[in-house]
Order: sequence, then C-alpha cells, then structure tokens
Amino acid sequence: AQSVTQLGSHVSVSEGALVLLRCNYSSSVPPYLFWYVQYPNQGLQLLLKYTTGATLVKGINGFEAEFKKSETSFHLTKPSAHMSDAAEYFCASRGVGGKLIFGQGTELSVKP
Amino acid sequence: EAGVAQSPRYKIIEKRQSVAFWCNPISGHATLYWYQQILGQGPKLLIQFQNNGVVDDSQLPKDRFSAERLKGVDSTLKIQPAKLEDSAVYLCASSESLLAGKNNEQFFGPGTRLTVL
Repeated sequence: AQSVTQLGSHVSVSEGALVLLRCNYSSSVPPYLFWYVQYPNQGLQLLLKYTTGATLVKGINGFEAEFKKSETSFHLTKPSAHMSDAAEYFCASRGVGGKLIFGQGTELSVKP
Repeated sequence: EAGVAQSPRYKIIEKRQSVAFWCNPISGHATLYWYQQILGQGPKLLIQFQNNGVVDDSQLPKDRFSAERLKGVDSTLKIQPAKLEDSAVYLCASSESLLAGKNNEQFFGPGTRLTVL
C-alpha cells in the first residue's frame, strides 16, 4: 500500500536560515508527489507538485523540492526562512482514483 | 474565481448527537473529496465523488457516517451518532478531474472543526 512518511513532526529554524522538511514515500508505480501548506484555521494550499519530467520542482513562496527515486524522497527546501513561513506542511502522494495520501505533517516554527 | 466553500466553520456537539457539514465545490469541478484531519495527523480520505457517483468510500465508517452529492454539485457529510473520536477537522476538496495527466489539482476549503464532548 502507498504511504508517505514525514521525518520530524516539528522543525524550528531561525529567520534567514535554510528550511529542510523531509518526506519519503513508498509506491509501486511512479508517484505523483505534492507539498501542501496549512496556516492556522485554514485549508490546505498547494506549494508544489512533481508529476513527470524535471526532478527539481519550484513552487510558490520560494520553496522547491527534489524528487529522488533512488532514495524514495521528496524533501522540501527553502534557502532563507521568513517569519511568514511558520505553518504546518504536508507531503502527499496521489493514490488510486486521484485521492491524496498524506504524511502526518511537520510544523515549522521560525524564530526571529 | 470563488474557492471551495464549507459551513459551518466550527461545531460543538455532545456524543450521540448528529451533525451535518456542507460543501460547495468550485464551479465546474466534477470530483469532490471529503477528508478527515485528526489533530496531529495528516488528512485521510473519507469519501470521493465523481459527479453524483461514489468513487471511493472504503475509509468511511458507514455505520455512522453518510454523504451525498445528489445533483453532482454541493455535498453534505453527516455523522449520526457522533463519538468522541470523531473530533477532527473535516476538509472538503474539489478538482476538475480525477484522471492522471488531467488538471487534477485539488483545491481545499477552510474546513469544519468538529468538537465532540
């Protein structure tokens, strides 16, 4: 069965520091992978997605992620954290019929 | 373009009571999803509709949960009777299509936060 694992339920960085949120997936077929962000009391917003083609995917707000098949990973990065990046981040893969299979989430805190 | 609308935003009930949530997807979106997000976990699919037909309800606790999308537009999710473990955020999402390769990006509503006491 497909699954998504996010390493670290909480990550804390200083403003201006590198953000690295880790995601590993298991899938028997080439995956479609997504990163979503959730701000308090709001729904999920798509940051970026990998379907086919280029393995380095750029998203909104300066985020990017790299698909590494050999490592079954799709880690999310941002070179310089901003206070407004504080939120919950979810990695997901596309399942049968288009449903999304989510990891458990990583809460990102940004310290001034 | 209007987004996915959900109501109510918050609901507090006692166990064994019933509750209903409403979702209006983005206009023209054929596929509608209901997800349950328990605190500290990622969202989990409860049910998926394609127009007014059910595509996947394998994770829906059918003894207490029901959902419908009678005209293929808006949808209602009902819980009867509610249990303490049903406390969660219920997210509705919609997409143009469920087919891979098509524009199947899911757009999420703000969710309904349910507290069962």
